[in-house]
Amino acid sequence: KQEVTQIPAALSVPEGENLVLNCSFTDSAIYNLQWFRQDPGKGLTSLLLIQSSQREQTSGRLNASLDKSSGRSTLYIAASQPGDSATYLCAATSGNTGKLIFGQGTTLQVKP
Amino acid sequence: GAVVSQHPSWVICKSGTSVKIECRSLDFQATTMFWYRQFPKQSLMLMATSNEGSKATYEQGVEKDKFLINHASLTLSTLTVTSAHPEDSSFYICSPGTNYGYTFGSGTRLTVV
Repeated sequence: KQEVTQIPAALSVPEGENLVLNCSFTDSAIYNLQWFRQDPGKGLTSLLLIQSSQREQTSGRLNASLDKSSGRSTLYIAASQPGDSATYLCAATSGNTGKLIFGQGTTLQVKP
Repeated sequence: GAVVSQHPSWVICKSGTSVKIECRSLDFQATTMFWYRQFPKQSLMLMATSNEGSKATYEQGVEKDKFLINHASLTLSTLTVTSAHPEDSSFYICSPGTNYGYTFGSGTRLTVV
């Protein structure tokens, strides 16, 4: 059974810092790995999707990596801004059904 | 991209009443819809998977008689929370899954008083 864990649970950094969020999963036979952003009381916004055959994906200041052998993914945020404050969720898909297994999330606060 | 419209955005109901949540696919046909819920300060957990024209499949620990799912057409899936109790207060959100870019509905905040 796939389990997804995220650390830290919460993170507070000053504006401008680079930061890394961690995600680990127990079953390396994943179909893909995704990172989402969730603002308080809101739905989910997909940030990056890494297929199982890929090692990383980049979008603007965001870079996500995937290491299936170690069961880990990281989300790197460069030059953080107060607008980046949100909860970041990683989710693994086992098989191509679209069923997502979510981690508990990391709540990020970027202070001006 | 695929757009899913979810209603209502929030609802407050009394204990014992039923609440229906709708997810409509606006520009595509969804044969499958995943329903997740999120308790405060917890992550999203898959509740059930609805399939157009057939019975939904429920995750372990989710009562199928309490959470009624209907997927009668390719553009509409509904989740009805029957005889709601305060412990059902949660954030419910739908997604059609992999074929549609993992788009999600905007979510429904249910509060049972």
